[in-house]
Amino acid sequence: QKEVEQDPGPLSVPEGAIVSLNCTYSNSAFQYFMWYRQYSRKGPELLMYTYSSGNKEDGRFTAQVDKSSKYISLFIRDSQPSDSATYLCAMSAGLRGGFKTIFGAGTRLFVKA
Amino acid sequence: EAQVTQNPRYLITVTGKKLTVTCSQNMNHEYMSWYRQDPGLGLRQIYYSMNVEVTDKGDVPEGYKVSRKEKRNFPLILESPSPNQTSLYFCASSSTPTSTDTQYFGPGTRLTVL
Repeated sequence: QKEVEQDPGPLSVPEGAIVSLNCTYSNSAFQYFMWYRQYSRKGPELLMYTYSSGNKEDGRFTAQVDKSSKYISLFIRDSQPSDSATYLCAMSAGLRGGFKTIFGAGTRLFVKA
Repeated sequence: EAQVTQNPRYLITVTGKKLTVTCSQNMNHEYMSWYRQDPGLGLRQIYYSMNVEVTDKGDVPEGYKVSRKEKRNFPLILESPSPNQTSLYFCASSSTPTSTDTQYFGPGTRLTVL
């Protein structure tokens, strides 16, 4: 079993839809949870970062962490064609995990105009 | 402009021919890392470095070497490349290892080993 599971999609939605992207994980030591966006032929860019459980909002993006269920989500409101990309979740246990970062396989998102 | 640069961007080589992929950052970051990205597997960490002369293995270090003699540079060395090392490689840097700050990724190096 992978430490981090992420549905690869692809996920296709109409413009303006609310998008929900999810990851599950098995390592209860993870404390740092990140979402990256990767456009085609580009390196990933950090989109959202959350420490421990809770929600974090930044514009149209909301990141949620439920450590009891080992489940994290990224919500995109009012999705735009420019949001079409691959979204990768990533996790780290910090010092306890030797500062390794584990990524999910990525979900490809298409937002249709 | 804050950036991470990698060279070369594309490389085709043959089994067993030693190669080095360079990585350089201009942000005075302490933490640098190498990843490989393969379809269906996402990004997997190869090696990372907390600072000069401090490196450690990630999840898939076999067949790779790194060095960190200067803060800005973190080269990835394949002493004897094999076809299973054909992949897309990314270098990344951040000021903190837990990515509380933005982690900057380079543009990627697509390596093919024949």
